[in-house]
Amino acid sequence: QKEVEQNSGPLSVPEGAIASLNCTYSDRGSQSFFWYRQYSGKSPELIMFIYSNGDKEDGRFTAQLNKASQYVSLLIRDSQPSDSATYLCAVIGAGKSTFGDGTTLTVKP
Amino acid sequence: SQTIHQWPATLVQPVGSPLSLECTVEGTSNPNLYWYRQAAGRGLQLLFYSVGIGQISSEVPQNLSASRPQDRQFILSSKKLLLSDSGFYLCAGTLPTGRGYEQYFGPGTRLTVT
Repeated sequence: QKEVEQNSGPLSVPEGAIASLNCTYSDRGSQSFFWYRQYSGKSPELIMFIYSNGDKEDGRFTAQLNKASQYVSLLIRDSQPSDSATYLCAVIGAGKSTFGDGTTLTVKP
Repeated sequence: SQTIHQWPATLVQPVGSPLSLECTVEGTSNPNLYWYRQAAGRGLQLLFYSVGIGQISSEVPQNLSASRPQDRQFILSSKKLLLSDSGFYLCAGTLPTGRGYEQYFGPGTRLTVT
């Protein structure tokens, strides 16, 4: 079992729809959870981080964390073609970080 | 906020040649530093991480090595490159905040071994 697993893609949604990206992790002691966006050929860009159970909203993005279920998700509302990218889930702690393999999202105009 | 610098942006090297990639960090002190490699269409593979000067942890066996001669400098090296070393190399720095850790990436170096 991988330490961090993301839902297999690719994921395609129409413009204006909600895109839902999911991630599970195996280490129950994990404290910090991150979502990165990576455009083709570019380095990952941090878009959301969450430390506590519940929801965290930032503009069109909402991160959700459920530590009991070891599950973290990212919702993108009103999806735009510019949101088309690969989204990486990461679990980062003291001195160690683990990334999922990523989910590729395509938003169709 | 911290800024991660990497150079060069692209590099083409023959098999068997040496390698040295440098990463420097601005805007913070005592960061945890990381080297990742990403093969085409794949996820990030953690190669090395460092929690301080001279402290290096290796995640995978390979012909690469890393060094941290200064607090904000992290170097990835190889004595003899293999074809399989081709990929996108990313340096990242993690800043501990009051709530946890936040990790940011440099622009990356695209290495092609021919």
